[in-house]
Amino acid sequence: GDSVTQMEGPVTLSEEAFLTINCTYTATGYPSLFWYVQYPGEGLQLLLKATKADDKGSNKGFEATYRKETTSFHLEKGSVQVSDSAVYFCALRGLNRDDKIIFGKGTRLHILP
Amino acid sequence: NAGVTQTPKFQVLKTGQSMTLQCAQDMNHNSMYWYRQDPGMGLRLIYYSASEGTTDKGEVPNGYNVSRLNKREFSLRLESAAPSQTSVYFCASSGGQTSNQPQHFGDGTRLSIL
Repeated sequence: GDSVTQMEGPVTLSEEAFLTINCTYTATGYPSLFWYVQYPGEGLQLLLKATKADDKGSNKGFEATYRKETTSFHLEKGSVQVSDSAVYFCALRGLNRDDKIIFGKGTRLHILP
Repeated sequence: NAGVTQTPKFQVLKTGQSMTLQCAQDMNHNSMYWYRQDPGMGLRLIYYSASEGTTDKGEVPNGYNVSRLNKREFSLRLESAAPSQTSVYFCASSGGQTSNQPQHFGDGTRLSIL
């Protein structure tokens, strides 16, 4: 069945460092891909999405490119801030109308000032 | 701009007690979901409802029941709470007929079973 694998955390970086959180997936066809962010004490919020190969989703300085050839959707940001400290979830949703969203286990990010 | 509203936000129960977690969305979404989130486990789907009047089991349904009361509301019931059900519970909803629609989440209910 469909699955999502993302790098385990926690990831600790200094402010203004470059961020990459790896995500790979297994699915048939061309699923839609998502990154969600969860700040402490809150629910998940959609950060960005991509719906077809080579699409780039972007939001708040974060980017991720849908790579069909490597089945990947890595999250990147050029210069992280303390306020980016959160848990990040990679997710996919299959093509069928009734398909549910499959989440990775999440990567906790700590940004040090 | 409420989105998905969950009540209560916090609850402490004793083993064997029952309770119902409430969820309501104001986005006219067809699909609604209940997840639990445990450390190191990510999100696990308990039950979902693809449309009003239908419900289906997810990955971890044992010990839970759900009711899709109407299009807006989807409740989760613990009939006889157990310590293993201590968790953070999230309700979510999604709309549209295509796979590119994301889910919208509530802020969660933090439930402790003593």
